[in-house]
Amino acid sequence: AQSVTQLGSHVSVSEGALVLLRCNYSSSVPPYLFWYVQYPNQGLQLLLKYTTGATLVKGINGFEAEFKKSETSFHLTKPSAHMSDAAEYFCAVSGSGGSYIPTFGRGTSLIVHP
Amino acid sequence: SQTIHQWPATLVQPVGSPLSLECTVEGTSNPNLYWYRQAAGRGLQLLFYSVGIGQISSEVPQNLSASRPQDRQFILSSKKLLLSDSGFYLCAWSPRLAGYYEQYFGPGTRLTVT
Repeated sequence: AQSVTQLGSHVSVSEGALVLLRCNYSSSVPPYLFWYVQYPNQGLQLLLKYTTGATLVKGINGFEAEFKKSETSFHLTKPSAHMSDAAEYFCAVSGSGGSYIPTFGRGTSLIVHP
Repeated sequence: SQTIHQWPATLVQPVGSPLSLECTVEGTSNPNLYWYRQAAGRGLQLLFYSVGIGQISSEVPQNLSASRPQDRQFILSSKKLLLSDSGFYLCAWSPRLAGYYEQYFGPGTRLTVT
């Protein structure tokens, strides 16, 4: 079985501040990990993914995430928040038990203050 | 490049009326297809997925059904809508042989049942 926990349903930062969105996963096998972003009234867009290899993954819009097996974490970061980063962010895991169906976290709403 | 379409974008339907939402994918063959629902302020709920024409798996019991009449067409239906069917419906596809099954989402359909 696989599961995802996103700590904090809402995260609030000031423009220019560090963004840190937390994601912890549970998987019986090496997981495939994803972060998606959803802007209001739109579908989800893939931000970045970890499959194998380098544990620090860079994505679009200046975001990156680091796979830490010992901590079963895949936190999303961005050095400097921009107003346009305000959105819902979803972490997802797949691969456990041969399942190609991803399991999504409940999402974290990022609020950016001017 | 691949694109995914959903229509209609918004829909307001009375309780007890039928429903048909359509999703089509272009630029790929043999995709895995998915239907999700997002209730207000909540995460993603997987409703149905399909690995091929006529092959539908249901994740939750409900008064909705899905069909895949063509390789790149996925339809979500209901004979009689309930108030609880209101939400944001998302269609997604993933490559069949990607190995890690990242998903690509459509723009969504906002359904309000009155």
